[in-house]
Amino acid sequence: DVKVTQSSRYLVKRTGEKVFLECVQDMDHENMFWYRQDPGLGLRLIYFSYDVKMKEKGDIPEGYSVSREKKERFSLILESASTNQTSMYLCASSLFGTTTNEKLFFGSGTQLSVL
Amino acid sequence: AQSVAQPEDQVNVAEGNPLTVKCTYSVSGNPYLFWYVQYPNRGLQFLLKYITGDNLVKGSYGFEAEFNKSQTSFHLKKPSALVSDSALYFCAVRDRGSGTYKYIFGTGTRLKVLA
Repeated sequence: DVKVTQSSRYLVKRTGEKVFLECVQDMDHENMFWYRQDPGLGLRLIYFSYDVKMKEKGDIPEGYSVSREKKERFSLILESASTNQTSMYLCASSLFGTTTNEKLFFGSGTQLSVL
Repeated sequence: AQSVAQPEDQVNVAEGNPLTVKCTYSVSGNPYLFWYVQYPNRGLQFLLKYITGDNLVKGSYGFEAEFNKSQTSFHLKKPSALVSDSALYFCAVRDRGSGTYKYIFGTGTRLKVLA
């Protein structure tokens, strides 16, 4: 089965710190995604990527950047963490180009607290 | 622009009764529609999807959903609820005409099945 692994389950950072959230998938998926989940707001798309070195902005990219140097790894970067970035961050991956198998596989999430 | 609405924050149902979790969507083209479930302290898991064909789709754990194009709805149903179905449910849409793999999620509905 597909495994999407997020490097940390819980993370506590200070305001202004640069924060890296790492995500690795083991099924050679082309597409990878970063969402944040907040109560009452559901999942909101931050960035996604179709392929190595390719990225597209989602609905709330401000304050975030991403890196995809290898196909299996998609990193989310908070350049200068702020308290309003305290949230649950979910990484997901999916295959490209086939609707038969189209679905997202999610990691377990990283609960980030910015103090 | 794509959007998804889940009008109920919480749905309560007695064990053994049928359940419905509502979802309506808005896309400029034709939709691909999905339901995901999130159990406590877990990532999201795929339940079912509508891509094309039969409007009634069946998925995991006895769930099904009906695509209604005229009402732009994709409600999740189960004939007989179990206590173990208690979880957070998310509806998601991708606009098949957009040419992107951008998935938009609703705000989620918490299902509580009472014994």
